[in-house]
Amino acid sequence: SQQGEEDPQALSIQEGENATMNCSYKTSINNLQWYRQNSGRGLVHLILIRSNEREKHSGRLRVTLDTSKKSSSLLITASRAADTASYFCATDALYQGAQKLVFGQGTRLTINP
Amino acid sequence: DSGVTQTPKHLITATGQRVTLRCSPRSGDLSVYWYQQSLDQGLQFLIQYYNGEERAKGNILERFSAQQFPDLHSELNLSSLELGDSALYFCASSVTGGPQQTQYFGPGTRLLVL
Repeated sequence: SQQGEEDPQALSIQEGENATMNCSYKTSINNLQWYRQNSGRGLVHLILIRSNEREKHSGRLRVTLDTSKKSSSLLITASRAADTASYFCATDALYQGAQKLVFGQGTRLTINP
Repeated sequence: DSGVTQTPKHLITATGQRVTLRCSPRSGDLSVYWYQQSLDQGLQFLIQYYNGEERAKGNILERFSAQQFPDLHSELNLSSLELGDSALYFCASSVTGGPQQTQYFGPGTRLLVL
C-alpha cells in the first residue's frame, strides 16, 4: 500500500489562483519530498522538508508538514499555465533494512488560461 | 535536463519476450533506482543499487532483474513479458542513496507489450 496519499486526485483552477495539494502518510518519517511530473516525463524534485521542520518556502512554493497529523500540504501561489503537471509527495520508509522513498498516487493539476 | 539518461525512449514488444532497459546516472551519483509507473498502480519502487551492490528491493517481480555495472550504469531486464508489464519505467539517481537525498529522474522508457 502507498505510504503517501495525495488529495485531491485532480484539481483544475484558473491561472493566477493558488493551488493547494495535500498528502497524508501512515508511518513516522524522517523527511517528505514533493516532486512534479509533466505528462509522460520524468519526475522533478521540488522541495524536501525534514520531520523537525513545519514550513518551507521555495519561490512560489510553500510546503507545510504536520507530523502529529501525518500530513503535508503543497501550496503553489499565483499559478501559471506551466504549473500544469502531476504532483507527488514521497516519504522515506524503512524497507528490508534500507530507507527508500515511497511515492503517493499524485494530484493532477490543470491550470486554465 | 536532470543528467540521467535512459535508453531506449520507446519499446514495443510481444508477450513472452525479454527486453533490457538501460540507465546512466548523473555524473558523480553512486546510487540508481528503478521505478515502474502504470495507470492503475502509480509509481512503484522496484529496486535500488549503490556502487554496484543491491541496496533495497521493492515490488520487483521475479521475472525482472537488474544490475549496476562498475561504470555505475544500470540495466533493468524484463523477461517473459506480459501485457500488464506495459508501463513507463524510470531510472533515478542520487549521490549516495540516503533517504534525505534528492533523486534525479531520467526521461523514462515507455514499454508497450502487445
